[in-house]
Amino acid sequence: GDSVTQMEGPVTLSEEAFLTINCTYTATGYPSLFWYVQYPGEGLQLLLKATKADDKGSNKGFEATYRKETTSFHLEKGSVQVSDSAVYFCALTPRSGAGSYQLTFGKGTKLSVIP
Amino acid sequence: NAGVTQTPKFQVLKTGQSMTLQCAQDMNHEYMSWYRQDPGMGLRLIHYSVGAGITDQGEVPNGYNVSRSTTEDFPLRLLSAAPSQTSVYFCASSKNRGEGYTFGSGTRLTVV
Repeated sequence: GDSVTQMEGPVTLSEEAFLTINCTYTATGYPSLFWYVQYPGEGLQLLLKATKADDKGSNKGFEATYRKETTSFHLEKGSVQVSDSAVYFCALTPRSGAGSYQLTFGKGTKLSVIP
Repeated sequence: NAGVTQTPKFQVLKTGQSMTLQCAQDMNHEYMSWYRQDPGMGLRLIHYSVGAGITDQGEVPNGYNVSRSTTEDFPLRLLSAAPSQTSVYFCASSKNRGEGYTFGSGTRLTVV
């Protein structure tokens, strides 16, 4: 079945550091790919998405590129802020079939940014 | 625009009790889902619905029941609560499959 693997956390960075959170996936065909963010005590928010190979999703300074050849969707930000401290989830939805109504999540990566 | 509203936010149940977690959305989304979030496990799909009157099981459906009588509401029923159902529950909705889901703020359930 489909699966998502993301780097284990926690990740601790200093403010203004460069962030990369790795995400790779296993799926049939061309799934849609997502990054969600969960701030403490809150639900998940969609951060960015990409629906086809070579698409780049971007939002709030975060970027991720859909790489079909390496089945990856790594999350990057050039300069993190304390307010970026949260848990980040990589997820996919198959393009078709019964499973296309559901998200398959990675286990999440906790990011802490210190001043 | 309220988005996805879940109630209650917190709940403590005794083993064997039943209860219903409420979920409502005001975005006219066809797709709705229930997930549970457990430490180290990520989020796992319990049940989902692709429209009023249509529901199906996800990855971890045992011990839970759902119905979808309207587009707006998608309640999750715990039939006989067990400590293994202690978790944070999220309801989510989507307009279509490729757009991603909008999540509610969650219900933290403890079964003692």
